[in-house]
Amino acid sequence: EVQLVESGGGLVQPGGSLRLSCAGSGFTFSSYSMNWVRQAPGKGLEWVSYISGGSSSIYYADSVKGRFTVSRDNAKTSLYLQMDSLRAEDTAVYYCARGSGNGRNAFDIWGQGTTVTVSS
Amino acid sequence: EIVLTQSPGTLSLSPGERATLSCRASQTISSSYLGWYQQKPGQAPRLLIYGASSRATGIPDRFSGSGSGTDFTLTISRLEPEDFAVYYCQQYGSSPYTFGQGTKLEIK
Repeated sequence: EVQLVESGGGLVQPGGSLRLSCAGSGFTFSSYSMNWVRQAPGKGLEWVSYISGGSSSIYYADSVKGRFTVSRDNAKTSLYLQMDSLRAEDTAVYYCARGSGNGRNAFDIWGQGTTVTVSS
Repeated sequence: EIVLTQSPGTLSLSPGERATLSCRASQTISSSYLGWYQQKPGQAPRLLIYGASSRATGIPDRFSGSGSGTDFTLTISRLEPEDFAVYYCQQYGSSPYTFGQGTKLEIK
């Protein structure tokens, strides 16, 4: 079964850091681009970051550029999001999502999400 | 940045009726890199349509997508009770890969 499972969410103070992980299984992880998408409470979806299968291409939303870092370890079939200098407006459910190929692709598989709360 | 505007914000219909959801882009979306997603409360989004008009795996044929350039449409031909949810369009042709604000499809 193709599956993505996020972990690492929690409560963090403003200015703090958190590292999210996303474990992929049931598919050849390195052959697919991966993304992070977030959803603030009661709000719509916001794309956060993209990383290609071999990590050669990486993109960020302006709202997180310079604060968040996406990476992947294909040997461990895992995706990561290092979040630094967290703000209250980063509070959201964070989903990892697979691109349906390597390159520009729709997001065909999603994890269940992990909740990040930034509050003092 | 490509801004996607979905309309209407809320659509109230009855089971069996036809639903038409619109997504308009602020710039041309290259090669129809446009997708539609369905999200139910407490669940992750699910891909319905990619490439503007191709159904994703396992999606019933009552869902169809159309359009090109800046104007796109998701049509649900005959609503089933499980179709009432929030629908998002997304462009993935150029970074940032933006989403529309969503259309809530509710039971009338």
